[in-house]
Amino acid sequence: SAVISQKPSRDICQRGTSLTIQCQVDSQVTMMFWYRQQPGQSLTLIATANQGSEATYESGFVIDKFPISRPNLTFSTLTVSNMSPEDSSIYLCSVASGSGANVLTFGAGSRLTVL
Amino acid sequence: SQKIEQNSEALNIQEGKTATLTCNYTNYSPAYLQWYRQDPGRGPVFLLLIRENEKEKRKERLKVTFDTTLKQSLFHITASQPADSATYLCALKLNTGTASKLTFGTGTRLQVTL
Repeated sequence: SAVISQKPSRDICQRGTSLTIQCQVDSQVTMMFWYRQQPGQSLTLIATANQGSEATYESGFVIDKFPISRPNLTFSTLTVSNMSPEDSSIYLCSVASGSGANVLTFGAGSRLTVL
Repeated sequence: SQKIEQNSEALNIQEGKTATLTCNYTNYSPAYLQWYRQDPGRGPVFLLLIRENEKEKRKERLKVTFDTTLKQSLFHITASQPADSATYLCALKLNTGTASKLTFGTGTRLQVTL
């Protein structure tokens, strides 16, 4: 299965600033996703990163807050903009693999703390 | 509303025993259900997938059952070991939409002691 590298692994950020998380995959993949995992909560899909077109956002998530880039089939970035303490969370990049692209492989995640 | 429920309380069992974790869902008609393992500081790792027309799936010491009438999946680890200690997440794929779009439960933490 694909190997995913995410960075930063963790960061402490000030309110009002923005942070960009990078996701690098060791092989070309069609489907790439960004999830959020808040403390004690389930993984929530933020958006699907589409190569060559705008990301597809889930209900409750907007491009202005979480802009996503996908310049090629091995790389994507997620920016958390104008952060507030409520954005403190783990952000995870994932790719689809397996027969029928039914299985997700995740990066280790980026733990953000907003003060 | 749609819900996926996993026991939020940690499950503590003794080494060698069988651990059984439960995933219940409401108002879904899933095409398949998956179980993932998540260790602290790491992303979830895929374990097993079971389709709506399958009753049971096995992989080494792992067994998953899927009852679409009860809307429940059970995840069993036989002969459990301390290395099995982790959080286990169930995830559902609905019959519509992107093949890989999954909805996750909150997970149950398993602690296996000597």
